[in-house]
Amino acid sequence: AQKITQTQPGMFVQEKEAVTLDCTYDTSDQSYGLFWYKQPSSGEMIFLIYQGSYDEQNATEGRYSLNFQKARKSANLVISASQLGDSAMYFCAMREGDAGGTSYGKLTFGQGTILTVHP
Amino acid sequence: GAVVSQHPSRVICKSGTSVKIECRSLDFQATTMFWYRQFPKKSLMLMATSNEGSKATYEQGVEKDKFLINHASLTLSTLTVTSAHPEDSSFYICSAESSGASYEQYFGPGTRLTVT
Repeated sequence: AQKITQTQPGMFVQEKEAVTLDCTYDTSDQSYGLFWYKQPSSGEMIFLIYQGSYDEQNATEGRYSLNFQKARKSANLVISASQLGDSAMYFCAMREGDAGGTSYGKLTFGQGTILTVHP
Repeated sequence: GAVVSQHPSRVICKSGTSVKIECRSLDFQATTMFWYRQFPKKSLMLMATSNEGSKATYEQGVEKDKFLINHASLTLSTLTVTSAHPEDSSFYICSAESSGASYEQYFGPGTRLTVT
């Protein structure tokens, strides 16, 4: 079974509008971390936001917020006031056992969503 | 934020030759580095976990004799694609794990390998 699922291969949004990118996950661990990365056409992976499984508040970083619904195992990314530069591929990722130890371990990535922002 | 570099950024090699890709953490020590492979418009697939001073841990289905990983120091891991074939053409990305409070993973800019 897929551990991280992004069901939207592509999304379109008008500039200045908000957009939600979906992500659901599957784990039996109690401790885990959820990440969102942006990958523009240049290929670099840009870290956007992180949510730990024990965090009670939804994470926010500037125009990015993570809508964390633990019971539903979803971690949707909300981008407010979209900009043309937001056009890119977006990946949701999970790291299981996200606490303690010398290494927090590997990331498992979803399939990605290509976001296109229209002027 | 922490910086990870990769060299080369692009490489073209002939079938049957070997190519080495370097991943360096420039301003922090990384006991653990990860190597990913990505096909166009697809997800990142973890190939192996590289630990300083010990053997790499390869994911299922990844040929360890073909993709040689060496993590000789706390700032350098190398991936060598041996006897490369056209199907090895791909985008290879490394990440380095910082030992700071958040154990953040920082990604390199990637290396595009084309095997002719």
